[in-house]
Amino acid sequence: AQTVTQSQPEMSVQEAETVTLSCTYDTSENNYYLFWYKQPPSRQMILVIRQEAYKQQNATENRFSVNFQKAAKSFSLKISDSQLGDTAMYFCAFGSGGSNYKLTFGKGTLLTVNP
Amino acid sequence: NAGVMQNPRHLVRRRGQEARLRCSPMKGHSHVYWYRQLPEEGLKFMVYLQKENIIDESGMPKERFSAEFPKEGPSILRIQQVVRGDSAAYFCASSPLPKKSSGNTIYFGEGSWLTVV
Repeated sequence: AQTVTQSQPEMSVQEAETVTLSCTYDTSENNYYLFWYKQPPSRQMILVIRQEAYKQQNATENRFSVNFQKAAKSFSLKISDSQLGDTAMYFCAFGSGGSNYKLTFGKGTLLTVNP
Repeated sequence: NAGVMQNPRHLVRRRGQEARLRCSPMKGHSHVYWYRQLPEEGLKFMVYLQKENIIDESGMPKERFSAEFPKEGPSILRIQQVVRGDSAAYFCASSPLPKKSSGNTIYFGEGSWLTVV
């Protein structure tokens, strides 16, 4: 079974600065997908970014980028130019290539952006 | 992902009552998934449904929980004889036909919060 570990329960960053959230996972599979979801105070689950394991290039979405280290099984999220609206719970998730609807989530990192 | 509609957003039930949570997938999506989020936890997979079929229910508790996705109408997650431990957020997600070649991204609704008193 896959496991996803987010070792930082809480983090804070000043507005406009950069922050990195860490995520590690454990799997014996070679084909899989990784995701970062954001859950703001409204509690909605919002997809932030997605990475296919077979792609070496790190995914980027505007101010959000990932550092995907397949050998180390690490998938960190970098948020540049942090904004107050980035304050949320961030969940890292793993999706198996064979049944990639069945996501395994980490316990989350609560990020607070301070003015 | 705002297209996945869940209702009610908040539901309060007394122990022993039944809870019914509804989910309408995004337009064009025929695959529905239910996840549960317990307090201080990440989401956990419960069940995967297509129209009139349960594809994978490996995450469903063995008793009191059932799910359906009828030919017409929304998907329903039903919890009978609720207990305090059922208090959680229940998220529905949907996707188009999953592609093995490019993977599958699922889109979540806003969740339904069940409180059992």
